Amino acid sequence: GQQLNQSPQSMFIQEGEDVSMNCTSSSIFNTWLWYKQDPGEGPVLLIALYKAGELTSNGRLTAQFGITRKDSFLNISASIPSDVGIYFCAGQPNMDSSYKLIFGSGTRLLVRP
Amino acid sequence: DTGVSQDPRHKITKRGQNVTFRCDPISEHNRLYWYRQTLGQGPEFLTYFQNEAQLEKSRLLSDRFSAERPKGSFSTLEIQRTEQGDSAMYLCASSRANTDTQYFGPGTRLTVL
Repeated sequence: GQQLNQSPQSMFIQEGEDVSMNCTSSSIFNTWLWYKQDPGEGPVLLIALYKAGELTSNGRLTAQFGITRKDSFLNISASIPSDVGIYFCAGQPNMDSSYKLIFGSGTRLLVRP
Repeated sequence: DTGVSQDPRHKITKRGQNVTFRCDPISEHNRLYWYRQTLGQGPEFLTYFQNEAQLEKSRLLSDRFSAERPKGSFSTLEIQRTEQGDSAMYLCASSRANTDTQYFGPGTRLTVL
């Protein structure tokens, strides 16, 4: 089945540093979404991308939909302690009428104050 | 917009018992999705509804699982004869028809002893 390869698996950074994570796939996706999940909670939508090449920002977060439609990245600038959590990429596969999402395995972010 | 709600948030049951979870989507959202998430993994699609019609079921949804959305509003997910392998976080999401942007509820964490 379709899979998303998300990297890195985990990051331990100093407060104030910038962070970058990405997702790649062997197949084309129509939509890329980035979510953040805190322990014991559901994923919270951060950014949604709908067109190849699209670059979208949400505060300190910036994400891009790759030109090939097979990848996406998320950047977080000037990290703060509340950025701690697990970040998931999710994509809606091409030619899939159900709009179900395929998720990456997550990037665990830890921020050292 | 009150968001997606799920009940209960936690459920502990003994192997062999039946359990039922409820999801209330965002009020104007036609589509409702169920996902399952195990520790260290991203959510995996189980099934989805458009209004009251169940339009797709994953192969992960064994015959012990059944989902309903009788009036096109809230949905229930029932697991019969629970097994230890059913222990997971069960997530519900909703979206408007023909959009890829899914909003998740807080999840129901199931522990089967």
